[in-house]
Amino acid sequence: RKEVEQDPGPFNVPEGATVAFNCTYSNSASQSFFWYRQDCRKEPKLLMSVYSSGNEDGRFTAQLNRASQYISLLIRDSKLSDSATYLCVVNEDNDYKLSFGAGTTVTVRA
Amino acid sequence: DADVTQTPRNRITKTGKRIMLECSQTKGHDRMYWYRQDPGLGLRLIYYSFDVKDINKGEISDGYSVSRQAQAKFSLSLESAIPNQTALYFCATSEGTSVKREQFFGPGTRLTVL
Repeated sequence: RKEVEQDPGPFNVPEGATVAFNCTYSNSASQSFFWYRQDCRKEPKLLMSVYSSGNEDGRFTAQLNRASQYISLLIRDSKLSDSATYLCVVNEDNDYKLSFGAGTTVTVRA
Repeated sequence: DADVTQTPRNRITKTGKRIMLECSQTKGHDRMYWYRQDPGLGLRLIYYSFDVKDINKGEISDGYSVSRQAQAKFSLSLESAIPNQTALYFCATSEGTSVKREQFFGPGTRLTVL
């Protein structure tokens, strides 16, 4: 079983729509959670950290559900520039190790 | 200029050849990492280094070696490349003593082993 699992998508949505997707993780001892964004053939970049109480950053909202071991990302008012692959990243109980999901691809169309 | 650079950006080589991928950073971070990315899989950690004197194996270190020549430089070697090492390789850096801090990635090296 993979440590971090994501629906690969693609999620094809029109501009202005809301899109949401989840990621599940297997290790209940996981400490920290992140969403990274990766554009095609480019390097991943941190989009946002995910806090226990949930958090927003502009049009992006992240939620953590420890009981069910999943995190979610919601994008409101989608822009063409939101088209990317979103990587779910989990820090387990080891200090050095981040576990990456394979990514969820979002395509926003005009 | 980019804070984390990788050379080469693309490389095609043959089975059995020795290959070195180089990573340099100007962020002043102590921690450096090498990952590989394959289609349908998440990034997987090959090696990591907390400082110049500290090198550690990641989850998929077999067939790879590394050298931390200076705080700013961390190179990855494939001593005898094989086709299943064809992948996109990323170097990353982070500051501090906790992986909870953001990791900054280089632009990647696309390696093809024929």
